[in-house]
Amino acid sequence: LAKTTQPISMDSYEGQEVNITCSHNNIATNDYITWYQQFPSQGPRFIIQGYKTKVTNEVASLFIPADRKSSTLSLPRVSLSDTAVYYCLVGETGGFKTIFGAGTRLFVKA
Amino acid sequence: EAQVTQNPRYLITVTGKKLTVTCSQNMNHEYMSWYRQDPGLGLRQIYYSMNVEVTDKGDVPEGYKVSRKEKRNFPLILESPSPNQTSLYFCASSSRLSSSTLYEQYFGPGTRLTVT
Repeated sequence: LAKTTQPISMDSYEGQEVNITCSHNNIATNDYITWYQQFPSQGPRFIIQGYKTKVTNEVASLFIPADRKSSTLSLPRVSLSDTAVYYCLVGETGGFKTIFGAGTRLFVKA
Repeated sequence: EAQVTQNPRYLITVTGKKLTVTCSQNMNHEYMSWYRQDPGLGLRQIYYSMNVEVTDKGDVPEGYKVSRKEKRNFPLILESPSPNQTSLYFCASSSRLSSSTLYEQYFGPGTRLTVT
């Protein structure tokens, strides 16, 4: 499983776009990139998953450059309720071993 | 409603007293997993199961046992709990995304265990 590196914390204001970058220099050819969101005392919740280029759903966008050594989770127009910890995972999650790492704590201010 | 349930949600016990935390999912998922979460350490995988009667160790399996006799249930057993197993525990199950071989994990509400 590839090791990931994320910022420990980030601050933002309501209505802003937030970009959280994850580094995964040792990503393997078959690895996918997955992002989860976790609120205090709750289990993580799947946000988005991708392999290359750009993936978008109703919640977020995921940008992956051609070399796939990093990825960026983009949250458009955040609100206070987006305050949470965001985890970047690399590998074949769900079917085998899963490593979450420390995540990025996002604080959204009014 | 599709969900993963865990019981109990809160448990305070004493060192050495065997306990079981149950986990059940109603989504017919083949994959299930247990994690523990400790401050500053994030989520760490304890055990996972690919299917009935198929289990394997995660990163921190010491002191824990699991069994998968039915597809929907994946209990976590602490034969002789110790204070260092005080933690927040999450069970998860996995679905297959519609057009790929990838898996999205669904998590239960968590079980907060305190061992004194």
